Amino acid sequence: KAGVTQTPRYLIKTRGQQVTLSCSPISGHRSVSWYQQTPGQGLQFLFEYFSETQRNKGNFPGRFSGRQFSNSRSEMNVSTLELGDSALYLCASSFYPKTSGSFTDTQYFGPGTRLTVL
Amino acid sequence: AQTVTQSQPEMSVQEAETVTLSCTYDTSESNYYLFWYKQPPSRQMILVIRQEAYKQQNATENRFSVNFQKAAKSFSLKISDSQLGDTAMYFCAFVYGSSNTGKLIFGQGTTLQVKP
Repeated sequence: KAGVTQTPRYLIKTRGQQVTLSCSPISGHRSVSWYQQTPGQGLQFLFEYFSETQRNKGNFPGRFSGRQFSNSRSEMNVSTLELGDSALYLCASSFYPKTSGSFTDTQYFGPGTRLTVL
Repeated sequence: AQTVTQSQPEMSVQEAETVTLSCTYDTSESNYYLFWYKQPPSRQMILVIRQEAYKQQNATENRFSVNFQKAAKSFSLKISDSQLGDTAMYFCAFVYGSSNTGKLIFGQGTTLQVKP
């Protein structure tokens, strides 16, 4: 089974621009979570999508947004880029079977998108 | 606040020896799940091991095992017979509660170097 894929792998943007990152989950996985990783702040949760609905959101400004499509693929968008948005953006997918009563399932990560804002 | 603390920023171990990485967490929840992830220089985050808080038995996965002490809120990772490929940053993480689905809370990480 193919793993989580993220595109593009590397991006260079300038301040004020906007960017869209894409994540394709493992086949059959319905939940997608996004994280930002920086040397100073570590790994921080951005948001989680399940069945095209945002179920959970971290403490990030409204410039960070996302969506999920009917095939479970997800995109995140950052508008009006700032220097501090330079980071590795990681996407993770998990299964969440219909009959599961669990609030969690193991997350499997993609290789990340390295965003550099100049 | 729900937090994870990894008190060892860096560690090193000789190949074939055993090393233990520490992790403590703070939560008032009774039901949660704990994880160790490994991030090698390639930056790909890889699941190492998972522990359900309601299970008393410590999880094991080949050379990797955990020491889960729920009362002490401690979740250490033991790597036996260390290999060069174990060189990576290791993150302890947990998730809790139906209102926090998909939200892993990570520690700051421990960089482990395995020396030949």
